[in-house]
Amino acid sequence: DADVTQTPRNRITKTGKRIMLECSQTKGHDRMYWYRQDPGLGLRLIYYSFDVKDINKGEISDGYSVSRQAQAKFSLSLESAIPNQTALYFCATSDAGQGRDGGDTIYFGEGSWLTVV
Amino acid sequence: DAKTTQPPSMDCAEGRAANLPCNHSTISGNEYVYWYRQIHSQGPQYIIHGLKNNETNEMASLIITEDRKSSTLILPHATLRDTAVYYCIVRVTRYSTLTFGKGTMLLVSP
Repeated sequence: DADVTQTPRNRITKTGKRIMLECSQTKGHDRMYWYRQDPGLGLRLIYYSFDVKDINKGEISDGYSVSRQAQAKFSLSLESAIPNQTALYFCATSDAGQGRDGGDTIYFGEGSWLTVV
Repeated sequence: DAKTTQPPSMDCAEGRAANLPCNHSTISGNEYVYWYRQIHSQGPQYIIHGLKNNETNEMASLIITEDRKSSTLILPHATLRDTAVYYCIVRVTRYSTLTFGKGTMLLVSP
């Protein structure tokens, strides 16, 4: 979805380096998420934020940190990258108030390929 | 959130209806059934969701059994561009995130 922009789209980094993946959205949504996907597997949740002051760990938060700089921006950091963090990373957003039945549809960005060598 | 079971793969001829099943026998009364798809490493795309009534939109139809223990996503006239991994997800909307399983790889052939 073009309204959810991830940068960089591709990055190769070395073991031990700090790397930041950035996500910005123009949808005006209050909720943002970071997922990772390993080849051939489903997506797993790393961190999520239901508003600017709210940060929650997902199922695989170890080795990652996040920052919600503004409603529209949610960054994911790998403080010291390791090879098994090589994956495709997705940012996503949703609006808690939307939907005919109160449900919030989650929209995904196009992903960021990260390779740690 | 309740777990779901989907076949790992399915085939469909172009122009025919694709019927993708999902089992969610432990679903709770306040949990919705969501369907997403992912086309070759692109970001997952929302398709449809429902609670207990059948739902239809421009992309697909969702049929939920009366006991809500299973559902079927129907793509009425599959095209080659519908080749993707389809994920059935059960969640309590607004208060939970999406938990992805392995999904069903749908291959649409000419």
